[in-house]
Amino acid sequence: QSALTQPPSASGSPGQSVTISCTGTSSDVGRYNSVSWYQQHPGEVPKLMIYGVNKRPSGVPDRFSGSKSGNTASLTVSGLQAEDEADYYCNSYAGSNNVIFGGGTKLTVL
Amino acid sequence: QVQLVQSGAEVKKPGASVNVSCKASRDTFTSSHIHWVRQAPGQGLVWMGIINPNNGVTSYAPKFQGRVTMTRDTSTSTVYMEVRSLSSDDTALYYCARGSLDDIWRVDYWGQGTLVTVSS
Repeated sequence: QSALTQPPSASGSPGQSVTISCTGTSSDVGRYNSVSWYQQHPGEVPKLMIYGVNKRPSGVPDRFSGSKSGNTASLTVSGLQAEDEADYYCNSYAGSNNVIFGGGTKLTVL
Repeated sequence: QVQLVQSGAEVKKPGASVNVSCKASRDTFTSSHIHWVRQAPGQGLVWMGIINPNNGVTSYAPKFQGRVTMTRDTSTSTVYMEVRSLSSDDTALYYCARGSLDDIWRVDYWGQGTLVTVSS
């Protein structure tokens, strides 16, 4: 069971939009709408940013949005701000009572 | 309020076992599933498994099957995870986390993490 595939890094200037991909297979991302995204600042615990592919928990800015097409989920951060610089992880239910995470993407705000 | 309070840092020798605890608020313990996730230094998140504190039913990631055991103590609302046959590759921050009330496979709240260092 391999990790979901994320690009190691992404970057954008303040105010721009950036999209981070998360590629799985037809057995996980492609089969289930249980895809979540987490933000982790250095030294902090992860924070849930998106769940159910495209839903935002209360308190998460609407600059964060999620989508899915086939076996690939995506997180888009619009109107980039300095505080968005962090590591981002996707995860998905993978069937057979298993969950799988992506390898993580380091987002840099230039 | 969701509370997950983990035990303190541990230093173990290769081949030893470690037991990490996660004390939940009573509401969380009785209404939620608890996940365990680890993060090696500078690395990503890895899902280890899940336990239903109400009945003790568990499911483990294939990578950890046979080497990890998750249990619970209902009298203290505490979940435990034992990792056996430790190697340096097991040096990591271990998190317990709550499975969401409407989708147990989604983690929504995290404990503070327990650092386990494996060194001879």
